[in-house]
Amino acid sequence: QQPVQSPQAVILREGEDAVINCSSSKALYSVHWYRQKHGEAPVFLMILLKGGEQKGHEKISASFNEKKQQSSLYLTASQLSYSGTYFCGTGTYKYIFGTGTRLKVLA
Amino acid sequence: EAGVAQSPRYKIIEKRQSVAFWCNPISGHATLYWYQQILGQGPKLLIQFQNNGVVDDSQLPKDRFSAERLKGVDSTLKIQPAKLEDSAVYLCASSPGAGELFFGEGSRLTVL
Repeated sequence: QQPVQSPQAVILREGEDAVINCSSSKALYSVHWYRQKHGEAPVFLMILLKGGEQKGHEKISASFNEKKQQSSLYLTASQLSYSGTYFCGTGTYKYIFGTGTRLKVLA
Repeated sequence: EAGVAQSPRYKIIEKRQSVAFWCNPISGHATLYWYQQILGQGPKLLIQFQNNGVVDDSQLPKDRFSAERLKGVDSTLKIQPAKLEDSAVYLCASSPGAGELFFGEGSRLTVL
């Protein structure tokens, strides 16, 4: 079952914050986050392994709630370079990606 | 360190023709994945190998798609015969285990 991401798309002004959510109907043991720019392959951002653990990458952080089977990605003070499609990825056995969230940051 | 290599980058074929894609993962990476990404959608797992054994191929349309990973290193993905709906980017990724996936640049297929 593919994890569902929300929102599907978001438009921001430079410097604004955003939250992207990833929900799974199956138990999550780990969550990865990737960013894909147009015409390029997905690039790894971070992995979360424990419930409630937060990790950071530049001004991007994420949380993981095992009980709720959810993960959230927080983009703080967004930059133009943050534009792209964000995917969560799950599965320690069979690796699948979420539905994706298109993010566009405007100057 | 060399990344994941894929070829060809682009391929245009007529429907009912066949096509093959090649992937060379990062040296030492035991797990290799093939994903299909249709424009505007997320990557869809086609097949996952652990060394040269298949971990999952439940989403692989086996009547037309086949994949192999010889000696646990290189892999090829074949489509025969191709359909219009196979037009997509085929992404190969590898990982050393349960961590980060490293992607190749992808092979863009257009079926006319």
